[in-house]
Amino acid sequence: KAGVTQTPRYLIKTRGQQVTLSCSPISGHRSVSWYQQTPGQGLQFLFEYFSETQRNKGNFPGRFSGRQFSNSRSEMNVSTLELGDSALYLCASSTGTGTDTQYFGPGTRLTVL
Amino acid sequence: AQSVSQHNHHVILSEAASLELGCNYSYGGTVNLFWYVQYPGQHLQLLLKYFSGDPLVKGIKGFEAEFIKSKFSFNLRKPSVQWSDTAEYFCAVTRPHGGATNKLIFGTGTLLAVQP
Repeated sequence: KAGVTQTPRYLIKTRGQQVTLSCSPISGHRSVSWYQQTPGQGLQFLFEYFSETQRNKGNFPGRFSGRQFSNSRSEMNVSTLELGDSALYLCASSTGTGTDTQYFGPGTRLTVL
Repeated sequence: AQSVSQHNHHVILSEAASLELGCNYSYGGTVNLFWYVQYPGQHLQLLLKYFSGDPLVKGIKGFEAEFIKSKFSFNLRKPSVQWSDTAEYFCAVTRPHGGATNKLIFGTGTLLAVQP
């Protein structure tokens, strides 16, 4: 089975711009979760989508949003970028059941100048 | 708020030394427990997990972890480390009930450096 894929792998944006990141989960997985990884804050949960619906949300401002399509692919959008949004954004996929394991993609490295 | 603590932020060992990395969580209900590893330049990979049953779980590459419910702990162990174990190790927790199934709460990570 192919693993979780994320595109693009690297992005450079300037303050005020917006960005869209994409994640394709493992085939058959219906849950996609997004995490932000920074040296200062570590790994933090952004949100989870399951069957095209947001099921869980972390403590991030409304500038961070996401969606999931019928094929389980997910996108994450960050509007009005700030310098502090520079991070590695990780996507994880899973079946979405109770005893579940999340498998991570390689991440998208976002740099905001 | 639920939290996960990893008290060892930086560990340096020589090859063949034994490893134990501590992990404690604050949530008192039922939890699922995980250890993930991030090798240099690679993505997060699952080392092992505990959902229920035998509290001693074995993972890949000779790693194991023991769930001690009374201590809210899930420590990672390996009897003899290798240079290739140099990586960052993350303990993580999910709550399987209450609508937060896949919200992984991560510890701050432990950077392990193994000297040849």
